[in-house]
Amino acid sequence: NAGVMQNPRHLVRRRGQEARLRCSPMKGHSHVYWYRQLPEEGLKFMVYLQKENIIDESGMPKERFSAEFPKEGPSILRIQQVVRGDSAAYFCASSPQGVASYEQYFGPGTRLTVT
Amino acid sequence: AQSVTQPDIHITVSEGASLELRCNYSYGATPYLFWYVQSPGQGLQLLLKYFSGDTLVQGIKGFEAEFKRSQSSFNLRKPSVHWSDAAEYFCAVGAEYGGSQGNLIFGKGTKLSVKP
Repeated sequence: NAGVMQNPRHLVRRRGQEARLRCSPMKGHSHVYWYRQLPEEGLKFMVYLQKENIIDESGMPKERFSAEFPKEGPSILRIQQVVRGDSAAYFCASSPQGVASYEQYFGPGTRLTVT
Repeated sequence: AQSVTQPDIHITVSEGASLELRCNYSYGATPYLFWYVQSPGQGLQLLLKYFSGDTLVQGIKGFEAEFKRSQSSFNLRKPSVHWSDAAEYFCAVGAEYGGSQGNLIFGKGTKLSVKP
């Protein structure tokens, strides 16, 4: 019974490159959340997706960031033209339902470093 | 706006001593409250959760938390800390905007160090 999987675990990109972060939810979970953790900060919500739908992207930066959760395959968080300020840990979480009362199970995170 | 405050950035306790980590929330409706633990370089693990009912909830690893509506608090406790408890602890509230979006709002975390 695999947990939430994220890859890569560590990603180094030069300024201006693209970063693609992948998340496979737990088996049976159809709701995916992405969070960003900056140094010395808690996690900040970015986007909530169900299969083929973005439900809430109120936490996503307006430019350069996008997310998808296709019918088949993992959820992808894409950051175009990365800047140093994008360096952070990005966590994916999944839950069986998208209600506030359901605990979310977190993946190990992808640590993005922009040089 | 909904928010979670963890007043203590860093706490050091001796092994075997008791522990209490504070968490205050600002939320209009009945909150769904969670405590997560994060070891260095790792993801978050759920320690316990409160939805309704008994205000004292038991979690894994010997942790418990008490929901106090009058104080808008959900403090985490452990009677006897072990060295392996050294980690960062996050309090979170489940956000609900008249629907069921369900994303979590986190506090900034409390880093726990354990002295031998």
